[in-house]
Amino acid sequence: QVQLVQSGAEVKKPGASVKVSCKASGYTFTSYDINWVRQATGQGLEWMGWMNPNSGNTGYAQKFQGRVTMTRNTSISTAYMELSSLRSEDTAVYYCAREIPGGSWFDPWGQGTLVTVSS
Amino acid sequence: EIVLTQSPGTLSLSPGERATLSCRASQSVSSSYLAWYQQKPGQAPRLLIYGASSRATGIPDRFSGSGSGTDFTLTISRLEPEDFAVYYCQQYGSSVTFGPGTKVDIK
Repeated sequence: QVQLVQSGAEVKKPGASVKVSCKASGYTFTSYDINWVRQATGQGLEWMGWMNPNSGNTGYAQKFQGRVTMTRNTSISTAYMELSSLRSEDTAVYYCAREIPGGSWFDPWGQGTLVTVSS
Repeated sequence: EIVLTQSPGTLSLSPGERATLSCRASQSVSSSYLAWYQQKPGQAPRLLIYGASSRATGIPDRFSGSGSGTDFTLTISRLEPEDFAVYYCQQYGSSVTFGPGTKVDIK
C-alpha cells in the first residue's frame, strides 16, 4: 500500500538546523509532488511548501522562504525537509504528504516527526 | 492568500446525531481544490473528501461534502463513536491554506 514513513523525533537548540526525511513506498516516487505541513501542539495545520521529486522543483510558503529547503534522493524514494535558524516557535510535528495532481489534496500523510527546539 | 474560516469551533453532539460543519473562504475557491480531513489525537490527518464532494477511498458514505464558491459543508449523517475528532478544510489557490478546524466532541 501507499505509505510515507518519516524519521524520528529531534531535539535541537535555537539557531540550529533540522533535516526530516520522508520515505515513500507503494507507488512511483517521481510521479507525485511531496508537500510538508507542520502543526504546533494543540494548533492547526500550517503548509510549508512542495517539491516535485522528478524535477526537484520547489515552492515554499512565504513565511518560510529563506529558511526551508526541500530536496530528494530518487534512488531511495526519499524526500527531505530542512529548516534552519530554528527558534522555539518552530517546535511542532512536521508531516510530509503526497499531493494528488489535479486538485492538490494530500493523501496519504506520513506519521509525523516531532521537532523540539529548546535551549 | 485565501483565508478559510470554519464554524463552529466546537460541536458537541451525541452518537447517532447529524453533524454539519461549515468552511467559508475569503475568496471564491474552485471546487476541484477543496478538501476535508479528519484528525484524531496523536494521528496524522486523513483525507475524507476531495473536490468538495467526492469521498476518498475507504471513507464511509455517512460522510458527504457539498458547496461551491466561498461556502462549503461537511456533513456526517449519523455520528459513530470513531467520528469524534477534529475536521479541517483545505484549499489550493495560489498557495495551500487550511481552516482552523472544527472539533466534534461527545456531548
